[in-house]
Amino acid sequence: QKEVEQDPGPLSVPEGAIVSLNCTYSNSAFQYFMWYRQYSRKGPELLMYTYSSGNKEDGRFTAQVDKSSKYISLFIRDSQPSDSATYLCAMNTNAGKSTFGDGTTLTVKP
Amino acid sequence: DTEVTQTPKHLVMGMTNKKSLKCEQHMGHRAMYWYKQKAKKPPELMFVYSYEKLSINESVPSRFSPECPNSSLLNLHLHALQPEDSALYLCASSRGGLLLGNQPQHFGDGTRLSIL
Repeated sequence: QKEVEQDPGPLSVPEGAIVSLNCTYSNSAFQYFMWYRQYSRKGPELLMYTYSSGNKEDGRFTAQVDKSSKYISLFIRDSQPSDSATYLCAMNTNAGKSTFGDGTTLTVKP
Repeated sequence: DTEVTQTPKHLVMGMTNKKSLKCEQHMGHRAMYWYKQKAKKPPELMFVYSYEKLSINESVPSRFSPECPNSSLLNLHLHALQPEDSALYLCASSRGGLLLGNQPQHFGDGTRLSIL
């Protein structure tokens, strides 16, 4: 069983839709949680970083962490065609080892 | 453009060649990372340097040799690679500190490596 499971997708939504991306994890040593966006032929770009249970908002993006359920989510409001990319969840232990989910490919259609 | 710069962007090499990948950051970060990413797969951690010292080696074959000459630079020396080593090699950096994990990593755009 993988330490991090991410909804595989692919996901296709119309422009303006609310997108929900999700990951679950099994390792209690994960303390820090990130969401990255990766465009084709580019490196992952950090979108959100959080370390406590609850919600964190940044513009159209909201990251949600539930440590008791070992579940994290990323919500994208008013999705745009430019949001079309692969979204990766990632989790860190205190030692700095990052484990990534397999990624969800999102397409936002105009 | 990212604040982590990787060169070259593309590299084609034979199995007997020796080459190096270079990564540079000027954000004052003290932790640097090498990842390998195959197509349609997530990045896989290879090495972590903290304060120029190797702190994590994820059992990477010795044909990959990392080097951190100073806090801004990270190299990955390649020798006698195999075709299955063809991948995107990503460098990342983070602020660093006693708890490496409590700072997010910032990635470069990678070097796309092809082994003939």
